[in-house]
Amino acid sequence: DSGVTQTPKHLITATGQRVTLRCSPRSGDLSVYWYQQSLDQGLQFLIQYYNGEERAKGNILERFSAQQFPDLHSELNLSSLELGDSALYFCASSATSGISYNEQFFGPGTRLTVL
Amino acid sequence: SQQGEEDPQALSIQEGENATMNCSYKTSINNLQWYRQNSGRGLVHLILIRSNEREKHSGRLRVTLDTSKKSSSLLITASRAADTASYFCATDVGGADGLTFGKGTHLIIQP
Repeated sequence: DSGVTQTPKHLITATGQRVTLRCSPRSGDLSVYWYQQSLDQGLQFLIQYYNGEERAKGNILERFSAQQFPDLHSELNLSSLELGDSALYFCASSATSGISYNEQFFGPGTRLTVL
Repeated sequence: SQQGEEDPQALSIQEGENATMNCSYKTSINNLQWYRQNSGRGLVHLILIRSNEREKHSGRLRVTLDTSKKSSSLLITASRAADTASYFCATDVGGADGLTFGKGTHLIIQP
């Protein structure tokens, strides 16, 4: 158990809908990262937050947004969902600010299926 | 294209044998990390090697880094059935790009 929790485990929704994925980092970790894993794209870095502020941005679509709250949990919002958004979404946390990326601890993931 | 590319894509060996997988990357790095993923589960960090290090050990794992060739290798000695998983290399190139993962090597250990 990495100490990172993600809810829900599974999510099935329809195209055009909006969903929110939730992540709680390991106790004491200030950085939260979001990744998307699909068969064709592999594991793609989406975005990083550090202590409530956006720190790094990867291949995140404009339809997607995230935030980190004062209690350090994070939410990833996916809107206007398309079939191609079906994937595993992972949250990871680390103690570092991201100037140098050290060991990250991954949650169990949320499997999103868009029908 | 991916910063890190693992080779081979898939590897099947007998239990007890050693498994070697390789990672090549394109740009200068701060560090390179290896992660393991069991089917559909979250990734687990295995080892981190910094750009000024050449070799690192952790239990049955040995990682090498050759910055002149922009490549790394992960050796798992005396493999076990529980080592069956996908193995990913991830590179830290600094800045605001996060970690960049390769597509992984799928390792199968035959009992």
